[in-house]
Amino acid sequence: DQQVKQNSPSLSVQEGRISILNCDYTNSMFDYFLWYKKYPAEGPTFLISISSIKDKNEDGRFTVFLNKSAKHLSLHIVPSQPGDSAVYFCAASYNAGNNRKLIWGLGTSLAVNP
Amino acid sequence: NAGVMQNPRHLVRRRGQEARLRCSPMKGHSHVYWYRQLPEEGLKFMVYLQKENIIDESGMPKERFSAEFPKEGPSILRIQQVVRGDSAAYFCASSQAAGGGTEAFFGQGTRLTVV
Repeated sequence: DQQVKQNSPSLSVQEGRISILNCDYTNSMFDYFLWYKKYPAEGPTFLISISSIKDKNEDGRFTVFLNKSAKHLSLHIVPSQPGDSAVYFCAASYNAGNNRKLIWGLGTSLAVNP
Repeated sequence: NAGVMQNPRHLVRRRGQEARLRCSPMKGHSHVYWYRQLPEEGLKFMVYLQKENIIDESGMPKERFSAEFPKEGPSILRIQQVVRGDSAAYFCASSQAAGGGTEAFFGQGTRLTVV
């Protein structure tokens, strides 16, 4: 039962264009969403997050949009750069008793072509 | 301020041996999380620990796996009698605040290969 779904295993984009990575979730309890970026042989690195009370958060070239009614969020990278080529993980968090749970998607591999 | 340190980076074990994976959290972080990434899969939560306490081990296999985070020293993930299916990348993360919902910082992982 995949509560956080990244339906596109891979995405290829031309340098300078926009990259859009999508993430869908099923659990209405999620109240905080995060995107992590992972290079091969390294641990994930936090990229950007959004609280469920917002519908947009922007940080430089990265913007995350949240559509609660559709249980969908997306990460926009514009303009895309070759150094953005990595696996991007969507994660969602909720309160579970005395601690918070963090559920991860399977990741989308982004390739930005020069 | 050093990041999350995991060692070893690579670990090769024969079937039936024990694997010990170490994680030193970032300075000032008292919350540690272990994740496993199997080939072609995403990150799967295993266990969440605070100093000397296991808070959530719902993702940990019931047998052969254990974790600790002592008052002094690194967190240890121990896998006894390893099998081929344990081959994976094991990542440790730490955070300052409670819960993995806030930004957690990851180590570079330990890649375990069982031969």
